[in-house]
Amino acid sequence: AQSVTQLDSQVPVFEEAPVELRCNYSSSVSVYLFWYVQYPNQGLQLLLKYLSGSTLVKGINGFEAEFNKSQTSFHLRKPSVHISDTAEYFCAVSNYGQNFVFGPGTRLSVLP
Amino acid sequence: DTAVSQTPKYLVTQMGNDKSIKCEQNLGHDTMYWYKQDSKKFLKIMFSYNNKELIINETVPNRFSPKSPDKAHLNLHINSLELGDSAVYFCASSQDSGAFNEQFFGPGTRLTVL
Repeated sequence: AQSVTQLDSQVPVFEEAPVELRCNYSSSVSVYLFWYVQYPNQGLQLLLKYLSGSTLVKGINGFEAEFNKSQTSFHLRKPSVHISDTAEYFCAVSNYGQNFVFGPGTRLSVLP
Repeated sequence: DTAVSQTPKYLVTQMGNDKSIKCEQNLGHDTMYWYKQDSKKFLKIMFSYNNKELIINETVPNRFSPKSPDKAHLNLHINSLELGDSAVYFCASSQDSGAFNEQFFGPGTRLTVL
């Protein structure tokens, strides 16, 4: 079975600072990887996804993530965060024959 | 136009009652899902339907019964509600059941069982 770990449950960062949210996964087969964002009192929306090809994936709102197969990681980064980036961020993994599995989430708090 | 909509947005009820949550998607997708998000934000899949057929049925009490009258709708009926059922329930849809597909989420239904 596959699983997703997000080591940081909360990440506080000052506005305009860079941020990295960590995601590691375990799976015995090739996977597809996703990052979703959940703003307060809303549903989840896709930030970006890795299916194949280039390991650096760019998403919406200036976010990007890098797939590292040897480290089984898919960390999310943004060079300069805004107050509006305050939200819960979920890493997710899927592959054929397995359910879509979400990580426990990382709460990003951007401070003025 | 709202892509994935859920009603009601909030649901407060007493233990032992039966309640339903409705979900509709206007994206023309074949696959729909129900997720439960607990108070710690942990998100877990409950059910998935593809073209009205049940394809994922996780370990969920049989008090929860999904129903898909057509591929644009997936409703969730819960019998004999318990305190532990309090959570936010999200409906989602995807183009089909392919593992690479993005899922589109509804705004959630916050269920509170008293």
